[in-house]
Amino acid sequence: GAVVSQHPSRVICKSGTSVKIECRSLDFQATTMFWYRQFPKKSLMLMATSNEGSKATYEQGVEKDKFLINHASLTLSTLTVTSAHPEDSSFYICSASVSGGRQETQYFGPGTRLLVL
Amino acid sequence: AQTVTQSQPEMSVQEAETVTLSCTYDTSESDYYLFWYKQPPSRQMILVIRQEAYKQQNATENRFSVNFQKAAKSFSLKISDSQLGDAAMYFCARYNTDKLIFGTGTRLQVFP
Repeated sequence: GAVVSQHPSRVICKSGTSVKIECRSLDFQATTMFWYRQFPKKSLMLMATSNEGSKATYEQGVEKDKFLINHASLTLSTLTVTSAHPEDSSFYICSASVSGGRQETQYFGPGTRLLVL
Repeated sequence: AQTVTQSQPEMSVQEAETVTLSCTYDTSESDYYLFWYKQPPSRQMILVIRQEAYKQQNATENRFSVNFQKAAKSFSLKISDSQLGDAAMYFCARYNTDKLIFGTGTRLQVFP
């Protein structure tokens, strides 16, 4: 149980285009989902907390207009990287907490590798 | 700052041996949660073990156990009978109010 999927697993795009990454909880409902960014050989950096039906909460230094988050249902959150540039190239990971369950335990998706040319 | 520190960037162990990964943290809270996550080359984050701060008993999960020292704010992970499949990055994390704060990670190599 508690499986989280991400799509796509990897994407290559041209500079200036927008890319959408989906995060789905497959066998549970998730009121809260989280988006992280991970640079090579580095730790996970929380970008934002996504709450179903409300606006995401962004961490300091993360541009909300650059990284659009939508959490339209209890099983789906999306991250859109708008007007992507090469410096946005990274590994993006989402996680989810079980609704009504232990909010402190997060289940992670397999990640999405973004390369902006 | 509420930080999580992993002072060992890399560790190595021989197969079947035991290895301990260190983690210290900073917090002003009395009740919190601590985690160890494993990230193999696939980069999928896998929950290894979880400890609730109000519980004095150290958590164990098969070959994985922790040494939780609340007063010292220390939370080390012991891997017994190491296997080749244990090779990965290991991240210590603390749940702070509503989010996880991760350490910088320890890369574990397992030699046959």
